[in-house]
Amino acid sequence: QTVVTQEPSLTVSPGGTVTLTCASSTGAVTSAYYPNWFQQKPGQAPRSLIYSTNKKHSWTPARFSGSLLGGKAALTLSGVQPEDEAEYYCLLYYGSARLFGGGTKLTVL
Amino acid sequence: QVHLVQSGAEVKKPGASVKVSCKASGFTFSSYSLHWVRQAPGQGLEWMGIINPSSTTSYAQKFQGRVTMTRDTSTNTLYMDLSSLRSEDTAVYYCARESSGDLNFSYYYTMDVWGQGTTVTVSS
Repeated sequence: QTVVTQEPSLTVSPGGTVTLTCASSTGAVTSAYYPNWFQQKPGQAPRSLIYSTNKKHSWTPARFSGSLLGGKAALTLSGVQPEDEAEYYCLLYYGSARLFGGGTKLTVL
Repeated sequence: QVHLVQSGAEVKKPGASVKVSCKASGFTFSSYSLHWVRQAPGQGLEWMGIINPSSTTSYAQKFQGRVTMTRDTSTNTLYMDLSSLRSEDTAVYYCARESSGDLNFSYYYTMDVWGQGTTVTVSS
């Protein structure tokens, strides 16, 4: 059974930089997994931030960026704002199937 | 404006079935694949399956045999039917649109539009 793993929680200071990662139990994550990143705040539906590794939507703040790092997908927040406190989920594509990571709770403190 | 509007909350008994709907507006419904994703209380997101424009489906192994996803292009509505409900199926169920294509010789996939969620409670 394939598992996608994220850090359960991270803490960052306002204005700081933090990187969240997303690993696959099948091996190195590549662009062929079309990594997606979503932000979810309490009581809200998820919102797509990054797709296909590093592409941004028109609504994605410039401080969010996606990449591949050491065999994992990565989401980097630079100049973190208090409103970035949220749960972040990665999604990987496995052919016709998709799999979410367990999520990273990001605390801005 | 692009919207996915889901049906209201449901309360079901164990063993029953539930059918959740998701009505699309603001885009060409027949051109897009659509997903169902669920989230149990206090838990993460769980992908359930996808239905493409031709109504071909792919379901997560966990839900094979219990879930049926259909679409009605005459009403621009997506449906998810989950049978043999148990307490562990208590969750918020979301529909999401998949956009895909070729951008600068690089293919992409994104779940860019989401419904507001439908709470399904399974309790005796």
